Amino acid sequence: TQLLEQSPQFLSIQEGENLTVYCNSSSVFSSLQWYRQEPGEGPVLLVTVVTGGEVKKLKRLTFQFGDARKDSSLHITAAQPGDTGLYLCARVGGAGSYQLTFGKGTKLSVIP
Amino acid sequence: DTEVTQTPKHLVMGMTNKKSLKCEQHMGHRAMYWYKQKAKKPPELMFVYSYEKLSINESVPSRFSPECPNSSLLNLHLHALQPEDSALYLCASSLSGPEYTEAFFGQGTRLTVV
Repeated sequence: TQLLEQSPQFLSIQEGENLTVYCNSSSVFSSLQWYRQEPGEGPVLLVTVVTGGEVKKLKRLTFQFGDARKDSSLHITAAQPGDTGLYLCARVGGAGSYQLTFGKGTKLSVIP
Repeated sequence: DTEVTQTPKHLVMGMTNKKSLKCEQHMGHRAMYWYKQKAKKPPELMFVYSYEKLSINESVPSRFSPECPNSSLLNLHLHALQPEDSALYLCASSLSGPEYTEAFFGQGTRLTVV
């Protein structure tokens, strides 16, 4: 099993602050996805990273895939209360199967 | 329409009851999934259906019985559940095989077994 370790587990910050959360593994990924899940909802895809060293931006969110494709980070600039939620990284199963294996997530609270 | 619709949203059932969870999508996706999410835990895969055939069963107890009547519908039949089965049950769908890009999740059914 290729475990995904996410850190920190919990993060509480003030509105306007910047933050970074991490997703790490000892194994190489062919691709990695980041999802956000709000209470009472299903996860929603934010981004897919595929190429080592890749950087993708989604408004105030910046996603980076490590050069060795074993780790990824999500940086949020000027966090807003609407960013509150559970951030999950996930590996997509290969070899004809397409199930997601999720990390334990980072629970982010942005305080107004 | 990029929605996956799950019903009911909440369900309370006794350990001797039989109930079913329902999931529907009209995106033409041929892969559908059931995930289970306990409180403060990530979603864990239970079943994968591909082209209406069960392709993956992650060693789920037989008291959970999935069914895919057609390409748009996915059911999860529940019988003789235990209190520890209480969780959020998430349905998802996606394109299948090498066309996979992302999984679309429903809002989930919050199940409480009493």
